Amino acid sequence: EVQLVESGGGLVQPGGSLRLSCAASGFSFSRYWMHWVRQVPGKGLVWVSRITSDGSTTTYADSVKGRFTVSRDNAKNTLYLQMNSLRPEDTAVYYCASEVVVGAHYGMDVWGQGTTVTVSS
Amino acid sequence: QSVLTQPPSVSGAPGQRVTISCTGSSSNIGADYDVHWYQQLPGTAPKLLIYGNINRPSGVPDRFSGSKSGTSASLAITGLQAGDEADYYCQSYDSSLSVVFGGGTKLTVL
Repeated sequence: EVQLVESGGGLVQPGGSLRLSCAASGFSFSRYWMHWVRQVPGKGLVWVSRITSDGSTTTYADSVKGRFTVSRDNAKNTLYLQMNSLRPEDTAVYYCASEVVVGAHYGMDVWGQGTTVTVSS
Repeated sequence: QSVLTQPPSVSGAPGQRVTISCTGSSSNIGADYDVHWYQQLPGTAPKLLIYGNINRPSGVPDRFSGSKSGTSASLAITGLQAGDEADYYCQSYDSSLSVVFGGGTKLTVL
């Protein structure tokens, strides 16, 4: 079964750090670009970050640039998001998602169930 | 404020046809970047509905169709069903290849 499972969410104080993980199974993880997307309950989807299939290139939304770092371990089929200097406005459900990129971009076709991050004192 | 603009809500009766618009600019949709659409049922993760402007992933009914023209794209749903009630999001890319989403549209089946 094709699956992405996020973990690592929780309650953290402002200024703190958290590392999210996303474990992939059932597909060739190393061939996919991977994304992190967040969503405040009741609000819309907000893209956070992306990493290419080989991990050589990363891109971030302006709101997290310099604070968040995306990485991957293709040998472990796992995606990570290191979140530092967390702010209350980072509170959201964080989803990981995969995307086939072969010349064209084919959209995020597999999504995890999400992990909740709450930044509060 | 989302980079791509969608109507906050649309509604239709069972069996009817509805369309959801997604308006961008020359920096994203108008720069010839593809548009994808996602359906998010209540309490679930988003699901890819349309990719590459017009294509349906395997398993998506042909009641769902996408189109793109200039700086805008549209999602059409025909033969509305109660199970289509969900939030719908468009997504494209900008000139730095960052991902941009629309603000989402809540579909209500009357």
